[in-house]
Amino acid sequence: GAGVSQSPSNKVTEKGKDVELRCDPISGHTALYWYRQSLGQGLEFLIYFQGNSAPDKSGLPSDRFSAERTGGSVSTLTIQRTQQEDSAVYLCASSPRQGPQETQYFGPGTRLLVL
Amino acid sequence: AQSVTQLGSHVSVSEGALVLLRCNYSSSVPPYLFWYVQYPNQGLQLLLKYTSAATLVKGINGFEAEFKKSETSFHLTKPSAHMSDAAEYFCAVIDYSSASKIIFGSGTRLSIRP
Repeated sequence: GAGVSQSPSNKVTEKGKDVELRCDPISGHTALYWYRQSLGQGLEFLIYFQGNSAPDKSGLPSDRFSAERTGGSVSTLTIQRTQQEDSAVYLCASSPRQGPQETQYFGPGTRLLVL
Repeated sequence: AQSVTQLGSHVSVSEGALVLLRCNYSSSVPPYLFWYVQYPNQGLQLLLKYTSAATLVKGINGFEAEFKKSETSFHLTKPSAHMSDAAEYFCAVIDYSSASKIIFGSGTRLSIRP
């Protein structure tokens, strides 16, 4: 079946502009995660959605970052007033449900470059 | 809190040789441990996971890992390396005190020499 998809695959933007990154999780998966992979910080957690519960935003690095998940499916990560340090690969993952034993399936990522 | 440490940012082996990638974990509770692989310009793919059912875990592509509580280790091995194994490998642990998010190690880049 279809895996996690993300768009765009690559995004180049100018400093100060806003960007939106999209994630389509595997159909039926209730848990959705965003991670960031950067040279300086490695792979780090950003935000988590589970069903209709309030998201866990504990990993968001600043208030310029926000995310939403509409209808319990598609999620959008928005970065406002982008900075050069936001350049990274943004990875989305989904799992059938929340729980430590659940496998998280990752999308191919969106590579963001802020000039 | 849970964490993982990967020893060696880069490992190089000859084709056909044993692959050993080291990972040590720290956890105050029984851990859930994973190995993920990332091929160049691709996303993360699960190799294998330990969820306390068996200490020796077999994964895809001939990889396996052994959970050793006494050594707090979860090293990844493969008896015979193949050129296609060249990739970056991440050891990870679930932080199930917080949304079951994954905490990743810093990664080990595996190179295969012909």
